[in-house]
Amino acid sequence: AQSVTQLDSQVPVFEEAPVELRCNYSSSVSVYLFWYVQYPNQGLQLLLKYLSGSTLVKGINGFEAEFNKSQTSFHLRKPSVHISDTAEYFCAVSEGSTLGRLYFGRGTQLTVWP
Amino acid sequence: DAGITQSPRHKVTETGTPVTLRCHQTENHRYMYWYRQDPGHGLRLIHYSYGVKDTDKGEVSDGYSVSRSKTEDFLLTLESATSSQTSVYFCAISANGQGETQYFGPGTRLLVL
Repeated sequence: AQSVTQLDSQVPVFEEAPVELRCNYSSSVSVYLFWYVQYPNQGLQLLLKYLSGSTLVKGINGFEAEFNKSQTSFHLRKPSVHISDTAEYFCAVSEGSTLGRLYFGRGTQLTVWP
Repeated sequence: DAGITQSPRHKVTETGTPVTLRCHQTENHRYMYWYRQDPGHGLRLIHYSYGVKDTDKGEVSDGYSVSRSKTEDFLLTLESATSSQTSVYFCAISANGQGETQYFGPGTRLLVL
């Protein structure tokens, strides 16, 4: 089974500052990688995903992530955050052979301050 | 937004009682999943289904059972609720398994007293 580590449980930043949320996974076999966002009292919404091809993936709301196979990482970045980006962010991994089941990290709470 | 509803949205129950949560989809997606979300644990898979009457266990399946008699409905049953099953339960769907985006429902908050 996969193990997904989100290295920071909380990340406070000021508005318009850049942010990076870190994610590492355990296996080097073929994987699919996802970032989801959860706003308070809501379900999860897909930000972006990596299936294959270019290692830099662009998602919604100006977020992007880079897949690094040698470091088994999939860090999420945004060059300039807004108050509205305040939410919990989850990294998730799916292996090719597991019928799409996702393994989630514990989440990173991003709080953007004015 | 994907057409996924969960019912009930909130429930309070007592230890030892059976509880059934329902996930209903209007997307005709083949795959359906039940997760629980707990602080500090992220989301963990309870059970999933890859077709009508085809289900399998996830990583935290003890004390839970599921049924899928129709494409659109996936039921999660807590056979005898315990306080450790107090959680937020999310249903998700996807068209195909591998690499497909999973779309999540709004969640059900369950409190077991």
